[in-house]
Amino acid sequence: NAGVMQNPRHLVRRRGQEARLRCSPMKGHSHVYWYRQLPEEGLKFMVYLQKENIIDESGMPKERFSAEFPKEGPSILRIQQVVRGDSAAYFCASSPGEYYGYTFGSGTRLTVV
Amino acid sequence: SQQGEEDPQALSIQEGENATMNCSYKTSINNLQWYRQNSGRGLVHLILIRSNEREKHSGRLRVTLDTSKKSSSLLITASRAADTASYFCATDTRGTSYGKLTFGQGTILTVHP
Repeated sequence: NAGVMQNPRHLVRRRGQEARLRCSPMKGHSHVYWYRQLPEEGLKFMVYLQKENIIDESGMPKERFSAEFPKEGPSILRIQQVVRGDSAAYFCASSPGEYYGYTFGSGTRLTVV
Repeated sequence: SQQGEEDPQALSIQEGENATMNCSYKTSINNLQWYRQNSGRGLVHLILIRSNEREKHSGRLRVTLDTSKKSSSLLITASRAADTASYFCATDTRGTSYGKLTFGQGTILTVHP
């Protein structure tokens, strides 16, 4: 079991470009969570998804950010028209269900130049 | 204060000494988890303590939970230089609300050889 796989590990985008971050949950895990970590801070919840459904997006910025977890393939966190303030580490976690533990990926470090 | 606040913000000790980090939170929880993060890396799950547990051990780690005070502590005994990292507590409110972890700001632990 390869664990939670995130790619790319590092992503550099110019202001105004789009960033796509991918997360493949652990085999058998149908719950995916995205978190953002700004420098020198703890992780902040962004969104919780199950296959083809967004369960809780209370932590997502209202504009430019979207997330999906399709029936087939990885979960995608999409940031349109990136700005410097989007520079952060984005972590994905998965779990097999609501009352099970989480496994975190190694994160994608986004730098906006 | 925010849910999942750690204290102290930074801790510097000598190898062999014990390190104690505290965490306070505000709302009802399902469980509380401690994570370690080495600089620039992903999160490593250390230990989970459920709301009906008061103390838990794992190797050199000891976690306590006082739900009446809404606080937890992480004790690392006989610290090693390799324990140098940031430590985060995270509260899990699944069962009371949709699942997500709320992280504190973290304690930066430095263990000097």
